[in-house]
Amino acid sequence: GNSVTQMEGPVTLSEEAFLTINCTYTATGYPSLFWYVQYPGEGLQLLLKATKADDKGSNKGFEATYRKETTSFHLEKGSVQVSDSAVYFCALSVGTGNQFYFGTGTSLTVIP
Amino acid sequence: DTAVSQTPKYLVTQMGNDKSIKCEQNLGHDTMYWYKQDSKKFLKIMFSYNNKELIINETVPNRFSPKSPDKAHLNLHINSLELGDSAVYFCASSQEPRITEAFFGQGTRLTVV
Repeated sequence: GNSVTQMEGPVTLSEEAFLTINCTYTATGYPSLFWYVQYPGEGLQLLLKATKADDKGSNKGFEATYRKETTSFHLEKGSVQVSDSAVYFCALSVGTGNQFYFGTGTSLTVIP
Repeated sequence: DTAVSQTPKYLVTQMGNDKSIKCEQNLGHDTMYWYKQDSKKFLKIMFSYNNKELIINETVPNRFSPKSPDKAHLNLHINSLELGDSAVYFCASSQEPRITEAFFGQGTRLTVV
């Protein structure tokens, strides 16, 4: 089946620290992979995506590389800011099934 | 101009009542979804419609009934509300799930008292 597993939070970091949020997946077929961010009181927004193996998605200093060999799509940022405090969701979609599969979300708090 | 809009944003109601949440997307997408997010932020797919046809109907009580009058709208009607229905409900849409992302509404926080 299709599923996403991401590291449990909450994660608390100091400003300018390095961030990694792990995400691994299982999928039938060749999925596209996404990271979404949810700020307090808001809906989910796409942060970045990758549609095939070895693609790197990047946005706002965040990066994630589609690793087929390890079935992973880990999210990284070199220097986090207080404004990055949010819940981050890893997700995948496949052609069949017509839906998105989300991980459980990882809450990030960045302290000054 | 909001891409996916849902109303109301907040809904407080008593147990046993019937309520509806409306969703509209102006992106021209063929597929729309309803997700339920619980207090631990876990997202669960409830329904998916493609061109007004029901595609996905997860294990959801039949008190929940989606209605899609056209491909730009997907409303969610809930009968006989229960305390456990309290959650945030998100509407979303996408064009080509294999490639393009889903666009989410702002959510409707439903509180059943």
